[in-house]
Amino acid sequence: DVKVTQSSRYLVKRTGEKVFLECVQDMDHENMFWYRQDPGLGLRLIYFSYDVKMKEKGDIPEGYSVSREKKERFSLILESASTNQTSMYLCASRPQRAGDRNEQFFGPGTRLTVL
Amino acid sequence: EDQVTQSPEALRLQEGESSSLNCSYTVSGLRGLFWYRQDPGKGPEFLFTLYSAGEEKEKERLKATLTKKESFLHITAPKPEDSATYLCAVQFFSGGYNKLIFGAGTRLAVHP
Repeated sequence: DVKVTQSSRYLVKRTGEKVFLECVQDMDHENMFWYRQDPGLGLRLIYFSYDVKMKEKGDIPEGYSVSREKKERFSLILESASTNQTSMYLCASRPQRAGDRNEQFFGPGTRLTVL
Repeated sequence: EDQVTQSPEALRLQEGESSSLNCSYTVSGLRGLFWYRQDPGKGPEFLFTLYSAGEEKEKERLKATLTKKESFLHITAPKPEDSATYLCAVQFFSGGYNKLIFGAGTRLAVHP
């Protein structure tokens, strides 16, 4: 069964802290994504990666960076957390050659609160 | 501007009361339209992919349809376990990549 796991379900950090969110997929997918989800705004793409060590900015990359050293792992880094980064963070993966469904597989999410 | 709008924001139904959720989009060069279901505190789960106007997909009490400007998710005789947020997403080609834009979702509550 397809699985995307995220390191924490809930996280509370202080303003200015460096925050690491980890995502691991066991499906050998090439593409991985980080989104944030806020009420009324839907999911917004922060960064994505289509291969190891490759990364591309999404729609809202400011204040974030990413790392993909291994195919199965995609990390989101908040260099200096701020209160406006309080959100639900969702990781997703997708194979490069997708079948008819062409869907992304999502992890359970990390609810981050920055105080 | 590329945009995906879902309506209504929230919908309350009685068990057995059929209804439809709407997803309208303004993008150039649609590559696919996706419906996901999201339960509270969980990640979205895939429901359907539609690729061209006129296409329909069904799964249990759900049926998704697609026109050139919008998609509907029809729920027939819903049950309380259908309560969730339903997300629509549109894929299109932009800047050398397939982009995916999500709508804000429709929160569905089905009461016994």
